[in-house]
Amino acid sequence: AQSVTQLDSHVSVSEGTPVLLRCNYSSSYSPSLFWYVQHPNKGLQLLLKYTSAATLVKGINGFEAEFKKSETSFHLTKPSAHMSDAAEYFCVVSDRSGGGADGLTFGKGTHLIIQP
Amino acid sequence: EPEVTQTPSHQVTQMGQEVILRCVPISNHLYFYWYRQILGQKVEFLVSFYNNEISEKSEIFDDQFSVERPDGSNFTLKIRSTKLEDSAMYFCAGSGGPGNEQFFGPGTRLTVL
Repeated sequence: AQSVTQLDSHVSVSEGTPVLLRCNYSSSYSPSLFWYVQHPNKGLQLLLKYTSAATLVKGINGFEAEFKKSETSFHLTKPSAHMSDAAEYFCVVSDRSGGGADGLTFGKGTHLIIQP
Repeated sequence: EPEVTQTPSHQVTQMGQEVILRCVPISNHLYFYWYRQILGQKVEFLVSFYNNEISEKSEIFDDQFSVERPDGSNFTLKIRSTKLEDSAMYFCAGSGGPGNEQFFGPGTRLTVL
């Protein structure tokens, strides 16, 4: 069985400061890990994915995440927050790369607030 | 850029009524999924669909639920007799195959009164 824990339900940062959204996972197999973002009234958009290649993964809009197997973590970071980053962020795990025919397991989400 | 679309954006229904939620996936996708998110809770996997049959389903996906791809473009989720606890946001997704990302629609908010 697989599960995801997002450690913060809300994170608030000032514009221009770094962002850290924390995620821990558990998985019986070698997992694939994803971060999705959801802006209000929009669908879920993939930010980045880890599928057993490089442990530091770069995504869209300046986000990146590092897979740390020893810590079972996949934290999302961005060096400098922008107002447009305000959204809900989901850490997601799959025991098959990309999910395939299998469903994804979502964390509860972290609401990112950007202060001007 | 191609997008997944879902209709309606909001559906209000009475308990016990049947509802059909519709999705148009990206045209070259082969795997299709439904998820739901009850207000304040996690996004939960319901069912995956490939080659015109269900590949996997969660324990949420009981006999009240069914999925269909009737015409090669639409992908529907039917709830036969809605319950209050079916009120949620329902997301459709598609992917090109194993190892590919899943592309999500904007969701349908179902409210059961």
